Amino acid sequence: EPEVTQTPSHQVTQMGQEVILRCVPISNHLYFYWYRQILGQKVEFLVSFYNNEISEKSEIFDDQFSVERPDGSNFTLKIRSTKLEDSAMYFCASSGRQTLETQYFGPGTRLLVL
Amino acid sequence: GENVEQHPSTLSVQEGDSAVIKCTYSDSASNYFPWYKQELGKGPQLIIDIRSNVGEKKDQRIAVTLNKTAKHFSLHITETQPEDSAVYFCAASSASGGSYIPTFGRGTSLIVHP
Repeated sequence: EPEVTQTPSHQVTQMGQEVILRCVPISNHLYFYWYRQILGQKVEFLVSFYNNEISEKSEIFDDQFSVERPDGSNFTLKIRSTKLEDSAMYFCASSGRQTLETQYFGPGTRLLVL
Repeated sequence: GENVEQHPSTLSVQEGDSAVIKCTYSDSASNYFPWYKQELGKGPQLIIDIRSNVGEKKDQRIAVTLNKTAKHFSLHITETQPEDSAVYFCAASSASGGSYIPTFGRGTSLIVHP
């Protein structure tokens, strides 16, 4: 069964450093999303992406964040200058045209900012 | 915006018992309600969903009910097994700007004792 994959599984970085989280969505999906989950809290929406542009973003997704689909398979989330409060689990998700509302999540990247 | 409340936060049952998790939502425009199971260290996995044009949906030991008037929906797991132990999230979403962005509840930690 097709799956969303994410790399790395864990990332430790120093405050102020840039990080890039990578995702490979399900191959025939067209809609891509990033979420984050701070330890013990609910999953929060960051951004959705369709047709090579951002379709929606939340208040969390400020100028420090950017997304990109650099090629036909990868979808990346960049945090330009990490802060301590960026420490969280980051999930990528994707959905297809026929079932747009059904999102499939990747296993996540645990980001720790020191 | 949408607000989803989920109860209980923790649910402890004996193997073979039933488990019920309840959620309420605030936005009457929400029309898609997925439930996700999250095991430790993994991403949310879609286990069942319901759309607003039906009141109940069942898949083997799992069922979901929706009351649009009262704006609440519930997950029912019968004959629970230890492998059902996980955190369960409900979510509510509607089409907005061409995409469905779910608002998640805070999660229910289900513990099934052998």
